[in-house]
Amino acid sequence: SQQGEEDPQALSIQEGENATMNCSYKTSINNLQWYRQNSGRGLVHLILIRSNEREKHSGRLRVTLDTSKKSSSLLITASRAADTASYFCARPPSGSARQLTFGSGTQLTVLP
Amino acid sequence: DGGITQSPKYLFRKEGQNVTLSCEQNLNHDAMYWYRQDPGQGLRLIYYSQIVNDFQKGDIAEGYSVSREKKESFPLTVTSAQKNPTAFYLCASSMGGADYNEQFFGPGTRLTVL
Repeated sequence: SQQGEEDPQALSIQEGENATMNCSYKTSINNLQWYRQNSGRGLVHLILIRSNEREKHSGRLRVTLDTSKKSSSLLITASRAADTASYFCARPPSGSARQLTFGSGTQLTVLP
Repeated sequence: DGGITQSPKYLFRKEGQNVTLSCEQNLNHDAMYWYRQDPGQGLRLIYYSQIVNDFQKGDIAEGYSVSREKKESFPLTVTSAQKNPTAFYLCASSMGGADYNEQFFGPGTRLTVL
């Protein structure tokens, strides 16, 4: 079952702007991952943040994790049209470190 | 090149027929997964396998079956018992050994029931 949701469901911005997507969850986690999916394609892993980490960077991506609020955010800086995709957060369901439960995703559109 | 492949890319099925979706990986991963994705939705877990000759039901296993006879292969059969099989099916694999394993996804198979 899906535990938590991404917010917003859809986001449209201009090229060069920053995009922020949020993910909330309900049970305690040991890690949280973000994935990207281009239309009609498979998912691509972007970044993993552990429960003892508060922030992680990868290129133009910045992920934060607040375990007290059970939430995470993905920031894409200086967005490009090629960043247009759906973004999903995923975390192990309670009691299992080897499965992942995915949220419903945020559809990001970057306008040129 | 290492990776995970799925075939076919598009599949059409008549009602009442069983169809099998292929998933192969050469990443030497122990764990493999099948997900279903409906339009505008996230992924839902159908079945997963942590090791050869073993697999477990996910959240929506009814109407589906799998086998794991080889480490590299994890085929999914969509049976006639699945009442609404039209969807995008994604296969994934992961190392499966440690606690923090990213999943690697195939390109997906889009199944349409006619």
